[in-house]
Amino acid sequence: QVQLVQSGAEVKKPGASVKVSCKASGYTFTSYGISWVRQAPGQGLEWMGWISAYNGNTNYAQKLQGRVTMTTDTSTSTAYMELRSLRSDDTAVYYCARGELLGDFDYWGQGTLVTVSS
Amino acid sequence: QSVLTQPPSVSGAPGQRVTISCTGSSSNIGAGYDVHWYQQLPGTAPKLLIYGNSNRPSGVPDRFSGSKSGTSASLAITGLQAEDEADYYCQSYDSSLSGPAVFGGGTQLTVL
Repeated sequence: QVQLVQSGAEVKKPGASVKVSCKASGYTFTSYGISWVRQAPGQGLEWMGWISAYNGNTNYAQKLQGRVTMTTDTSTSTAYMELRSLRSDDTAVYYCARGELLGDFDYWGQGTLVTVSS
Repeated sequence: QSVLTQPPSVSGAPGQRVTISCTGSSSNIGAGYDVHWYQQLPGTAPKLLIYGNSNRPSGVPDRFSGSKSGTSASLAITGLQAEDEADYYCQSYDSSLSGPAVFGGGTQLTVL
């Protein structure tokens, strides 16, 4: 069965960076892309960006350009999302989700809470 | 402010039918891009409910259905059950700088 398992919760200070991992299993990793979606406390879903696990092509949300980097390691079927220059409003649950750029997200990770606080 | 507009909340009694609207524009739904729907139960990750406007993934009850017309889409839930109480989100593609993937603001469904 398809599974996306994310790394554990993080607490970071403003200005720091965080890197969240998403390990895939149960399917051919390079056959699908991975999107990252975040959800601030009590708020809705916000798409952050997408990476092709086939060739590493990326597409980031304009508001995060310059602060976010998405990568994959095909040898371990793991996707990564790094967010830099963290601010308090980056506090959110971060999800990885399987899917193509123009399509739906059919499987989701369990979420990783990132708290940014001084 | 979300690119796709959903009502903040809807409610219905067990057994009733409710609909949740998702209103977009000519740069997303109206441009012909597919709409997908997700259900998020409290404290859990979203789950794909409807894809490609009206298709249900395996395991999703046929009480859930989706439709799309013009610049809007709708999710209908018939035979409302207590376990349907959740947040529902629509998602599509947007060709403006807001995208490409965009979500609605979400609708909280309360089963009375």
